Amino acid sequence: AQTVTQSQPEMSVQEAETVTLSCTYDTSESDYYLFWYKQPPSRQMILVIRQEAYKQQNATENRFSVNFQKAAKSFSLKISDSQLGDAAMYFCAYRSPGGYQKVTFGTGTKLQVIP
Amino acid sequence: ETGVTQTPRHLVMGMTNKKSLKCEQHLGHNAMYWYKQSAKKPLELMFVYSLEERVENNSVPSRFSPECPNSSHLFLHLHTLQPEDSALYLCASSQGTGDNEKLFFGSGTQLSVL
Repeated sequence: AQTVTQSQPEMSVQEAETVTLSCTYDTSESDYYLFWYKQPPSRQMILVIRQEAYKQQNATENRFSVNFQKAAKSFSLKISDSQLGDAAMYFCAYRSPGGYQKVTFGTGTKLQVIP
Repeated sequence: ETGVTQTPRHLVMGMTNKKSLKCEQHLGHNAMYWYKQSAKKPLELMFVYSLEERVENNSVPSRFSPECPNSSHLFLHLHTLQPEDSALYLCASSQGTGDNEKLFFGSGTQLSVL
């Protein structure tokens, strides 16, 4: 079974600065998908960014980018120019290809943005 | 209007009560999911429905009973729950099962079992 580990329960960043959230995973599969989800106080989980394991190029979405190290099974999220609205729980997640959207989540990192 | 709506937002119930959680998606999706989110634990997938048929039951106790009357609605019927069942219950949907699909979540029902 796949596992996802987020070793930073809480992080903080100054507004306009850059922060990196860590994630590692364990799998024996060679093809899979990785995600970062954001859960603000409204509780609705929102997809931030997605990476296909077969793609070597790191995914980017505006101020959000990932550092995907397949051999190391590492998938970190970098948030640039942090904004107050970025304050939330961030969950790293893993999914095998095919089948239904059976996503395995990490325990989350709570990000605080300091004005 | 959000794509996935869950009611109620909060629910407090005794261990002998029977209650139901409701989820409705307005996205025309074919698959729906129940997840349980407990404090400091990873989200746990509970059930998956595809085209109104249950395709996954992740070893969930029988005191949780899902129902999917149509592709837009999903219920979670609760009875004789335990205090450890207190958690945030999240509903999600996806268009289908393809690899390019993604999950859309509701805002959850925060359940407290006394």
